[in-house]
Amino acid sequence: DSGVTQTPKHLITATGQRVTLRCSPRSGDLSVYWYQQSLDQGLQFLIQYYNGEERAKGNILERFSAQQFPDLHSELNLSSLELGDSALYFCASSVGPAPGTSGSSYNEQFFGPGTRLTVL
Amino acid sequence: GQQLNQSPQSMFIQEGEDVSMNCTSSSIFNTWLWYKQDPGEGPVLLIALYKAGELTSNGRLTAQFGITRKDSFLNISASIPSDVGIYFCAGLSTYKYIFGTGTRLKVLA
Repeated sequence: DSGVTQTPKHLITATGQRVTLRCSPRSGDLSVYWYQQSLDQGLQFLIQYYNGEERAKGNILERFSAQQFPDLHSELNLSSLELGDSALYFCASSVGPAPGTSGSSYNEQFFGPGTRLTVL
Repeated sequence: GQQLNQSPQSMFIQEGEDVSMNCTSSSIFNTWLWYKQDPGEGPVLLIALYKAGELTSNGRLTAQFGITRKDSFLNISASIPSDVGIYFCAGLSTYKYIFGTGTRLKVLA
């Protein structure tokens, strides 16, 4: 158990709908990262928040948005869902705001168990 | 989106055999990471590499940071059934991680 929790575990919805995925980071972690993993694919970085502020942005669609709340939990909102949005969505958390640079300690990310989204 | 190339994509091996997999990129990274993902779980960090040429071990796992900083290798010695899973490499690019496409390992007892 990484200490990162994600709800729900499974979500089935229809095209055009909107869903919200929730993530609670490990106790003491200030950063939350969201990733998308499509079938048989690696993880695609979507977005990172640190202490409530957006820190880094990856390949996140305009139909997707996220936020981190004062209690540090985060939500990923997916709207106007399409069939291709079906995937595993992972949340990860870390203590620091950014990964370490060469030669320094790595600001390890701890991953949650994921939310499996199925769009029909 | 950008991804790293991992090979092989999948492999079946006999228990007790050694395993090698690699990850290549067209970009230079300052940090390389190797993760393992079990079915229904999130990835778990196995090894982190910070310097070109660095060789790091974690039990039966050994990983190397390529001297060109564009590749990395993971070796598993004397594989056991619980080594089954998907192994991902990741490279650190500015403030985000770029993940590999994964190597699916299946161990035959």
